[in-house]
Amino acid sequence: KQEVTQIPAALSVPEGENLVLNCSFTDSAIYNLQWFRQDPGKGLTSLLLIQSSQREQTSGRLNASLDKSSGRSTLYIAASQPGDSATYLCAVTDSWGKLQFGAGTQVVVTP
Amino acid sequence: DAGVIQSPRHEVTEMGQEVTLRCKPISGHDYLFWYRQTMMRGLELLIYFNNNVPIDDSGMPEDRFSAKMPNASFSTLKIQPSEPRDSAVYFCASNDRLHSSYNEQFFGPGTRLTVL
Repeated sequence: KQEVTQIPAALSVPEGENLVLNCSFTDSAIYNLQWFRQDPGKGLTSLLLIQSSQREQTSGRLNASLDKSSGRSTLYIAASQPGDSATYLCAVTDSWGKLQFGAGTQVVVTP
Repeated sequence: DAGVIQSPRHEVTEMGQEVTLRCKPISGHDYLFWYRQTMMRGLELLIYFNNNVPIDDSGMPEDRFSAKMPNASFSTLKIQPSEPRDSAVYFCASNDRLHSSYNEQFFGPGTRLTVL
């Protein structure tokens, strides 16, 4: 059974610092991996999707890497801003299209 | 496209009452998913449909939960009778696996259910 773990559970950094969020999964037979952002009381916003054959994806200040063989993904957010404060969730997709989520990392960026 | 639409956004009901949550997927998407999010268990997949047919309902917690998709543009999740432990945020998501290889899921805003 696939298990997805996110470390740390919470993170607080001063504005301007780079953020590093970790995600690990136990079964490397994934179709893709998605990173989501969730603001308090809101839905999920997809940030990046990495196909299983890819090593990384970039969008603006966000960069996500994937090492399928070791079951790890890392989300980097450069030059953090207070607006980046949210919960970040990673999720892996199996071949059936089912998403398995991690518990999330709650990020606070202080001005 | 307006994205995935869910209604109601908030629902407060009393224990024992029937609750119906609604979802309209993105037009043209062939897969629809229902998730539940709680503090204790995080986000869990309840059931998903392909072309209106339920494919996997192994995440449905009990027989009190049922889901239908009568057509490509509408799905319901029903809880009868509701219990306080059903209080959670219920999300609907859809994706287009027929035309896209990315398999990216798009989520609705969720329905926050409170059962008193």
